[in-house]
Amino acid sequence: QLQLQESGPGLVKPSETLSLTCTVSGGSVRSSGDYRVWIRQAPGKGLEWIASINYSGSTYYNPSLKSRVTISVDTSKNQFSLKLTSVTAADTAVYYCAGRKDTAVVPAVDWGQGTLVTVSS
Amino acid sequence: QSALTQPASVSESPGQSITISCTGTSSDVGGYNYVSWYQQHPGKAPKLMIYDVSIRPSGVSNRFSGSKSGNTASLTISGLQAEDEADYYCSSYTTSSTYVFGTGTKVTVL
Repeated sequence: QLQLQESGPGLVKPSETLSLTCTVSGGSVRSSGDYRVWIRQAPGKGLEWIASINYSGSTYYNPSLKSRVTISVDTSKNQFSLKLTSVTAADTAVYYCAGRKDTAVVPAVDWGQGTLVTVSS
Repeated sequence: QSALTQPASVSESPGQSITISCTGTSSDVGGYNYVSWYQQHPGKAPKLMIYDVSIRPSGVSNRFSGSKSGNTASLTISGLQAEDEADYYCSSYTTSSTYVFGTGTKVTVL
């Protein structure tokens, strides 16, 4: 079964760039038919789909975040990443990396444990 | 894209049934049969319970069922058990080739 583990700074200053990495084990980060996904959840709030990248490198972004977000894959490290620029306190959240197959039209099937990122000076 | 609308909370006694609604628009829920439901216990990652409106993944209890009518989808939990107490989120594929989640519903087993 696919296993996903987020890593990155737990504290980011306002206006700076949030960078997170997800290490994939139990499979390739770019297996045929696979999508890699980032989803976040502000404290005490609901889930928000951020972005996904598929096995051919096509990317999809939440329209409300599109101007600030980049998702990418590093096949040499079997990782995928999220960059979110110009962060504010509203970007404080638990960030989940996740994945799914192209046969499952859902936000995600497999999830990491999540990592809390706080935006504060 | 706006979050799908769910009731904030639902409470019921063990053994009873509850239904959680999820209202969107023709650009999401009403436009595709790609509604899914997630269960999230405190401090845990969400778990997929229903996909494609009404299909249960392997291992999910048949006490969970889903349906859709127009722009509103529903999740029904029958024979409510203490372990069902959690937050539930609906989600839908959208015309932007993205996904939108619902506002979330806290289910309490009395």
